[in-house]
Amino acid sequence: GQQLNQSPQSMFIQEGEDVSMNCTSSSIFNTWLWYKQDPGEGPVLLIALYKAGELTSNGRLTAQFGITRKDSFLNISASIPSDVGIYFCAGSGGGSQGNLIFGKGTKLSVKP
Amino acid sequence: DGGITQSPKYLFRKEGQNVTLSCEQNLNHDAMYWYRQDPGQGLRLIYYSQIVNDFQKGDIAEGYSVSREKKESFPLTVTSAQKNPTAFYLCASSIRGSGTEAFFGQGTRLTVV
Repeated sequence: GQQLNQSPQSMFIQEGEDVSMNCTSSSIFNTWLWYKQDPGEGPVLLIALYKAGELTSNGRLTAQFGITRKDSFLNISASIPSDVGIYFCAGSGGGSQGNLIFGKGTKLSVKP
Repeated sequence: DGGITQSPKYLFRKEGQNVTLSCEQNLNHDAMYWYRQDPGQGLRLIYYSQIVNDFQKGDIAEGYSVSREKKESFPLTVTSAQKNPTAFYLCASSIRGSGTEAFFGQGTRLTVV
């Protein structure tokens, strides 16, 4: 079945630093989504990508749909303490394989 | 406010008992989903429904059951057949199935005592 690898598993950074994380899939995806989850809460959608090569920003967050359609990247610029949480990527191949597949998450810790 | 609501937030169950988790959405979304999340793990799909009166098993459906009698409601029953039910359960909905943006509820933490 489809597999999705997310890295890194965790990051511990200083406030103000930039952050990069990525996801790769074993097959082509038509949709890439990035979510953030705070402890004990449901994931919140950050960015949605629907086109290969697409680059989309949401404030300090920027995500890209890889040109091969098998990967996606999320960057956070100038991190702040409230960026702490777990970031998940999710992808979908569309059609009959349309259910979202989630990565295992990147846990971000920010040191003031 | 439009959104997706899960209840209760915390739930305790004795071994051998069935328990039902509630999920309601007023977003007029066709598709609804149930996921299970264990510590340090991603989200694993239990069941999904793309239309009223129809639902499909996900990757880990054993020991769970669902119904979709109304568009806005998709309750999940954790049965006594589920060997390791303690987990964080997340409900989501999307406008339609097939990879559209999914929006999540706040989750229900189930603990078996």
